[in-house]
This record gives sequence, structure tokens and C-alpha cells, in this order.
Amino acid sequence: LAKTTQPISMDSYEGQEVNITCSHNNIATNDYITWYQQFPSQGPRFIIQGYKTKVTNEVASLFIPADRKSSTLSLPRVSLSDTAVYYCLVGDIGAYNTDKLIFGTGTRLQVFP
Amino acid sequence: DAGVIQSPRHEVTEMGQEVTLRCKPISGHNSLFWYRQTMMRGLELLIYFNNNVPIDDSGMPEDRFSAKMPNASFSTLKIQPSEPRDSAVYFCASSLMDSPLHFGNGTRLTVT
Repeated sequence: LAKTTQPISMDSYEGQEVNITCSHNNIATNDYITWYQQFPSQGPRFIIQGYKTKVTNEVASLFIPADRKSSTLSLPRVSLSDTAVYYCLVGDIGAYNTDKLIFGTGTRLQVFP
Repeated sequence: DAGVIQSPRHEVTEMGQEVTLRCKPISGHNSLFWYRQTMMRGLELLIYFNNNVPIDDSGMPEDRFSAKMPNASFSTLKIQPSEPRDSAVYFCASSLMDSPLHFGNGTRLTVT
């Protein structure tokens, strides 16, 4: 059973880089690491997904060390609109094991002007 | 791509009434998920369908809750009878194979 641990909250200022770390000590070989963002009154939205090393897209970067027991979501130069809850999800969505579709408590990021 | 569509957006009902929430997944997606979100319990997975077949409903709170997926483009979550503790935001999500989940904007249910 993959389980994730994230900080409950983080504060930042506009223009800064924000790094949110997720611990997943029991990650399985076939598991991917996926991050979602949720704004109030909306459903979670996919940000980035990775398996190992580094993944980068137009929104964020995801750093995964060799042992894969943790991952770090990096948001470059945050703005006020990045204020949201960020969830780390670990699992193989292709498998039937729904234990791996469990969202944790997430990290509430507050960006200040 | 219209995304996952849920209806209604808001539902207010009295205790004891039947409530039906609806979801239209993204066309072509073969997996559908119902989640419930509250401040106390966060996002909880209620049930998961794959190719219209319920795979795991262990998250359904009790027999008052039922979900169906009669075809690939429609699913319902029904609560009967509803209770105040069922008040929450209910999300539907869909995916294709091992792609990430795509969520709808949810139905905010209030049971008085």
C-alpha cells in the first residue's frame, strides 16, 4: 500500500520558487508519481507525472531521486494564482488496486504579494 | 474536449430524500471514479468503474449509496435516503488506461 506524506501548508511570495516534497517510502516498482492542483470549488487538476529522475513541463518540474522514496514538485516563480492545494499521488492507475488512487491531505500553498 | 461534466452543480435536499448525481466522462476514457470531499476526511474514493464494470466499491459508505454506469458515456451516484452527514462535494473523474485522472467540477450536496 503506497502512502504519501506531505507538509500540510507552505507560504511563499510572488516570484519565488516553491518546492513541495512528498514522501512515499512504500512505492512499488510499477508506480508512477503524479501531482495534482486543486483550487476552491474545482476538481483537482493534473500538473505533472513522472517515474524517475526529472520531468519538466510548462508548469512545473518534478524531481525524483534514484530510490524513488520521495519526490519534489518545483514551481518556478510562483504567482498569486498558484495559491491552491497540491496533492501527491502514487500508484499504477492501470492496475485494479484502488488503494493506489488514494489522495492524501495535500499541501496548502499560500502565495503572498 | 468538454472535459468531465457533472450535474447538478449544486443540490440542496431534505433528509430522507433521494439524491441522484450525474457524470459524463471524457469520450474514449475507459475508467470512471466517484470521489467525495469534505473538510474532515479530504478526498475519499467511493467507487471505481473500468469498461463500465464496477471494480471496487469498498469506499461506498453504506447501502444507502449506489452507483451505476449503464454505458461508457454516463454514470450516476444515488443516495437514498439522504442524511445530513452526506453533505459534501462529490467529484467524478475519468481516465484512459494509465493516464492521469481528469476531474469534473463537482456537485456540492447539502442535506438539511
